[in-house]
Amino acid sequence: EAGVTQSPTHLIKTRGQQVTLRCSPISGHTSVYWYQQALGLGLQFLLWYDEGEERNRGNFPPRFSGRQFPNYSSELNVNALELEDSALYLCASSSDWVPGNTIYFGEGSWLTVV
Amino acid sequence: AQTVTQSQPEMSVQEAETVTLSCTYDTSENNYYLFWYKQPPSRQMILVIRQEAYKQQNATENRFSVNFQKAAKSFSLKISDSQLGDTAMYFCAFMNAGNNRKLIWGLGTSLAVNP
Repeated sequence: EAGVTQSPTHLIKTRGQQVTLRCSPISGHTSVYWYQQALGLGLQFLLWYDEGEERNRGNFPPRFSGRQFPNYSSELNVNALELEDSALYLCASSSDWVPGNTIYFGEGSWLTVV
Repeated sequence: AQTVTQSQPEMSVQEAETVTLSCTYDTSENNYYLFWYKQPPSRQMILVIRQEAYKQQNATENRFSVNFQKAAKSFSLKISDSQLGDTAMYFCAFMNAGNNRKLIWGLGTSLAVNP
């Protein structure tokens, strides 16, 4: 069974540009989560999507946005990139039938903003 | 607000020995979940073990076990018979059993298993 897959794995963008990161959840999982892992800041919760709806949002500015498609895949969009947006962006998925609300992560997308 | 604290930024252990990683958390909730995740150099976050707060029995997964002390808000991870492949960052995380599905993370402990 395929795990959570993310693309691209690495990318470099210029300050002010926009970026889209993509995520496919584990088959059968309806919830997708996005986390930011920046150096020195640990992991921070960004977004939770379930059944196509945004269910919860972390403390990030509106230029961080996303969506979930009918096939449960998801995109994270970041507009007006800033240097401090450089980080590993982790996508994760879960399903209501998984005990303990356990979530499973992908390998991440490394974003460098220059 | 909930917080998770891992007081050991770095630890090392000899292969085949046992090591314990510490984690404390702060919450006013009674029902929640606790997790240990492992992040090797490949950067993929891998679930090691999970504990439901309403269960008094400590969770175990092969060589990995936890010591869950709810009153003390402590959730330590014990790795027995350490292997070189256990070298990684270990993160403790908390999730409220409510419906916000938000994991709160500690800053991690870097574990090195030495041959």
